[in-house]
Amino acid sequence: GDSVTQMEGPVTLSEEACLTINCTYTATGYPSLFWYVQYPGEGLQLLLKATKADDKGSNKGFEATYRKETTSFHLEKGSVQVSDSAVYFCALSELTQGGSEKLVFGKGTKLTVNP
Amino acid sequence: DAGVIQSPRHEVTEMGQEVTLRCKPISGHNSLFWYRQTMMRGLELLIYFNNNVPIDDSGMPEDRFSAKMPNASFSTLKIQPSEPRDSAVYFCASSPSTSGSSYEQYFGPGTRLTVT
Repeated sequence: GDSVTQMEGPVTLSEEACLTINCTYTATGYPSLFWYVQYPGEGLQLLLKATKADDKGSNKGFEATYRKETTSFHLEKGSVQVSDSAVYFCALSELTQGGSEKLVFGKGTKLTVNP
Repeated sequence: DAGVIQSPRHEVTEMGQEVTLRCKPISGHNSLFWYRQTMMRGLELLIYFNNNVPIDDSGMPEDRFSAKMPNASFSTLKIQPSEPRDSAVYFCASSPSTSGSSYEQYFGPGTRLTVT
């Protein structure tokens, strides 16, 4: 089946540093791609998404571009803040029998930003 | 919009006891998902429903686990009997679409289960 591989953490950065979290995927079709974020003690929430090749998703200063040729969807931010400390999950949508869809998640990357 | 509601938020129980986790999806959403999150295994999809019908339960670890969705506004995940290795955070998520390629899942706050 489809799968997602993202860089293992933890990642520790100083405030205002640049962030890149790598994500690559394997899929038989043309999935939509997502980044979810989980703040301490909370459930996951959608950060950004891209539905087709070359699309760029962006939100809260984060960006990721759907690269079909490299099967990648790397998450980037030019200047991180302490409040960005969280676990980040890359995911893709997988079409299942009967036309329904489910998300396939990577293992998550924990980011800690120090002041 | 209240979001996805899960109860209880925390559950501590002894090995062998029955545990029931509850979920109320966002009104109007027709897909519901149960996940388990642990440090060792990350986020695992256990089962999901479309229009109250279970579609894929291949992620349910054992027969001790069962899930139901009797109506569009309520679902339960039951573990009987519970074991210490079931200790995890269990998330419920709902989605507004049964098909299409760009839908979003909305997660509840989770239930932290500890089995001693």
